[in-house]
Amino acid sequence: GAGVSQSPSNKVTEKGKDVELRCDPISGHTALYWYRQSLGQGLEFLIYFQGNSAPDKSGLPSDRFSAERTGGSVSTLTIQRTQQEDSAVYLCASSPLGGNEQFFGPGTRLTVL
Amino acid sequence: DQQVKQNSPSLSVQEGRISILNCDYTNSMFDYFLWYKKYPAEGPTFLISISSIKDKNEDGRFTVFLNKSAKHLSLHIVPSQPGDSAVYFCAASAITTPLVFGKGTRLSVIA
Repeated sequence: GAGVSQSPSNKVTEKGKDVELRCDPISGHTALYWYRQSLGQGLEFLIYFQGNSAPDKSGLPSDRFSAERTGGSVSTLTIQRTQQEDSAVYLCASSPLGGNEQFFGPGTRLTVL
Repeated sequence: DQQVKQNSPSLSVQEGRISILNCDYTNSMFDYFLWYKKYPAEGPTFLISISSIKDKNEDGRFTVFLNKSAKHLSLHIVPSQPGDSAVYFCAASAITTPLVFGKGTRLSVIA
């Protein structure tokens, strides 16, 4: 069956522009997670959705970052007024209800010039 | 403050020998631990997990050991194969927290 998909796979943008990253989780998975991995760093938790609600937004690094999830499925991570330090690979993962294992997408590589 | 630490950024092992990847954690509330493997330009893939009620879990060539008193876990790969070359992430979770990942260890298996 289809895994987690993310789009675009690569995004190059200019500093100050807004970007939207999309995640399509595995069908039926209730939980959805966003992480980012900066060069030389581990996976940094950003936000977590259970259904359409986000009980844990503690990882969002600033108010320039926001995310939404609609219909318990697709999620969009939006970064406003991008900065060079936002350059990273943004990974999305989903898991079924009650599941501990997360299934990851291939990531979106964001480069802010 | 890192709750999950992988202190070795890289490890080189000869093909056929044992690879041992280590992970330490600080949060005593963590009760479920996972290892993920990541190839370049791909997302992490789940490898093996262990719950805090066990001290060992084995799946083929992969075994994870958990020492709760030391807050330490390790992943053993034996025998190591060139295809095992990847970055390995340790992750931990508790009921109230999402997965917390370490920074990863890059394993190189040399033929």
